[in-house]
Amino acid sequence: AAGVIQSPRHLIKEKRETATLKCYPIPRHDTVYWYQQGPGQDPQFLISFYEKMQSDKGSIPDRFSAQQFSDYHSELNMSSLELGDSALYFCASSNEGSYEQYFGPGTRLTVT
Amino acid sequence: AQTVTQSQPEMSVQEAETVTLSCTYDTSESDYYLFWYKQPPSRQMILVIRQEAYKQQNATENRFSVNFQKAAKSFSLKISDSQLGDAAMYFCASGGGADGLTFGKGTHLIIQP
Repeated sequence: AAGVIQSPRHLIKEKRETATLKCYPIPRHDTVYWYQQGPGQDPQFLISFYEKMQSDKGSIPDRFSAQQFSDYHSELNMSSLELGDSALYFCASSNEGSYEQYFGPGTRLTVT
Repeated sequence: AQTVTQSQPEMSVQEAETVTLSCTYDTSESDYYLFWYKQPPSRQMILVIRQEAYKQQNATENRFSVNFQKAAKSFSLKISDSQLGDAAMYFCASGGGADGLTFGKGTHLIIQP
């Protein structure tokens, strides 16, 4: 079965640089979620989109923005990167009525 | 606002035995869902089981079952016939609809051969 695809899988950036993470949801899933998981931490919800509109907002820094496109893929844009942004970033998707969130493999971001 | 509490940072069980992981939650939502996710060393988040809050019947998926006590806001996971491949971090989570999930701090499950 098709799963959530995230790219890139690994990313190394320097402080103050920008990064863009991409997420391709499971086919026919209309909702996308972004999470951040620091080392030894539980995943923290950042933001979600349903049918290309922002649905819910969590602890997403103002330096981050995201959107969902017409083909339902989503991008998380991160600017002015800080050392503390180093983490595993997950994208998850679900479809209306089920609300089971299926996670992608994650993008490991390292900020040096 | 939702909170999820997992009071067991680590649990250990002998292979083939049964183990129960605890989770309590608090929410102001009337309609919500509860989940258990497994995160092995690969860091992949794997959905283990889901419970709709409006359903009284406890969810079951093969060797995994839950004990959902709505009044007590308790949602424990029972793993029967534990296998070496069950070793992982287990996260309890709550959420509703297209809202993001709130996770507990996790329980590290060790399977003793």
